Amino acid sequence: DTAVSQTPKYLVTQMGNDKSIKCEQNLGHDTMYWYKQDSKKFLKIMFSYNNKELIINETVPNRFSPKSPDKAHLNLHINSLELGDSAVYFCASSQGRKGEQYFGPGTRLTVT
Amino acid sequence: AQSVTQLDSQVPVFEEAPVELRCNYSSSVSVYLFWYVQYPNQGLQLLLKYLSGSTLVKGINGFEAEFNKSQTSFHLRKPSVHISDTAEYFCAVTESGGGADGLTFGKGTHLIIQP
Repeated sequence: DTAVSQTPKYLVTQMGNDKSIKCEQNLGHDTMYWYKQDSKKFLKIMFSYNNKELIINETVPNRFSPKSPDKAHLNLHINSLELGDSAVYFCASSQGRKGEQYFGPGTRLTVT
Repeated sequence: AQSVTQLDSQVPVFEEAPVELRCNYSSSVSVYLFWYVQYPNQGLQLLLKYLSGSTLVKGINGFEAEFNKSQTSFHLRKPSVHISDTAEYFCAVTESGGGADGLTFGKGTHLIIQP
């Protein structure tokens, strides 16, 4: 009964491919997020969704697109993968836009 | 926009000794403050949070933090650390009112407990 789950845990792919990472939360939260953690462990917000509406979009390439089929899911789709996309991607959720955030276990993406 | 500075990238401490991990933030508006812990190859777990009220906040695993508005600091402390506290610790901030969602994180402090 994991609160925030992500699949896959590891993803190895070649440059130019398209891939998706799935996120599901069973906490009944109304806001979900995607963060990127680089090789130096720096965490940066990428997207947040509140009631199926995109709230923020930092300086993220448009090759990244979040898709939310319902309140419990926020998937991350990445087109034309580049070497610099290699990182750990974390999904998180909260109740309300200022609530404490619960994080998933992360997806380690390696682009070769 | 806000920013977070964690002054120490790495803090080595002997087991059962006290520790303080420093965090300073910068913001033109009121903020909420958080400390998260990340164990190796895992996600982030919330240690404690400051939203309002008492400036001394107690969290899980014996950690506490004190919000100091005049010094714009939110340092994390534990009176006696254990080997199991070895992890990466992140300070984070978000605006308390409207504005951009999502947390702004510091660069993290790696706490190393030495036996």
